[in-house]
Amino acid sequence: GEQVEQLPSILRVQEGSSASINCSYEDSASNYFPWYKQEPGENPKLIIDIRSNMERKQIQELIVLLDKKAKRFSLHITDTQPGDSAMYFCAASENYNQGKLIFGQGTKLSIKP
Amino acid sequence: ETAVFQTPNYHVTQVGNEVSFNCKQTLGHDTMYWYKQDSKKLLKIMFSYNNKQLIVNETVPRRFSPQSSDKAHLNLRIKSVEPEDSAVYLCASSYENTLYFGAGTRLSVL
Repeated sequence: GEQVEQLPSILRVQEGSSASINCSYEDSASNYFPWYKQEPGENPKLIIDIRSNMERKQIQELIVLLDKKAKRFSLHITDTQPGDSAMYFCAASENYNQGKLIFGQGTKLSIKP
Repeated sequence: ETAVFQTPNYHVTQVGNEVSFNCKQTLGHDTMYWYKQDSKKLLKIMFSYNNKQLIVNETVPRRFSPQSSDKAHLNLRIKSVEPEDSAVYLCASSYENTLYFGAGTRLSVL
């Protein structure tokens, strides 16, 4: 089955700078790649996603890139703010309608003031 | 806005006991899931149901059994809990692959 690797596990950046999280997957059939944010004591929530027919997607300060050939995708948070501090999870799904998401190990992002 | 409801929020029990967790979603989704999040925050899918039918059953110990009475409800029973079952159990429903998680049930096995 699909496996998703996520790095780094811990990321500390200065407020206002950019943060990047990288993920790789194994199954070339995967075609849907969401990112979830989990704040302390809260449940994970979808923040942005990308499908395999796209290479780049941006929602405000969030940018996701997908390299299907390399089987890698990444999340970039520009102009980080204290509210961006949280756990971030990438995921991959081999069937858009199947709904079986395989999550990466998570990245704990801390924004230093 | 909470639309996936889980009970209980917390449960403390002893090794060998049976526990049951409840989950209900009011979003009208056809698919529901149970995920386990361990102390390292790893999120792993356990089960997936579509319209009361089991469609995903990951490799989990046989003491775990999901139960679905209708597409809005998906419960989880653990028969004879083990220490490694201590975790947060997250129920979710989905629409077009977007997962909507409940608040979770934190299980502590003493």
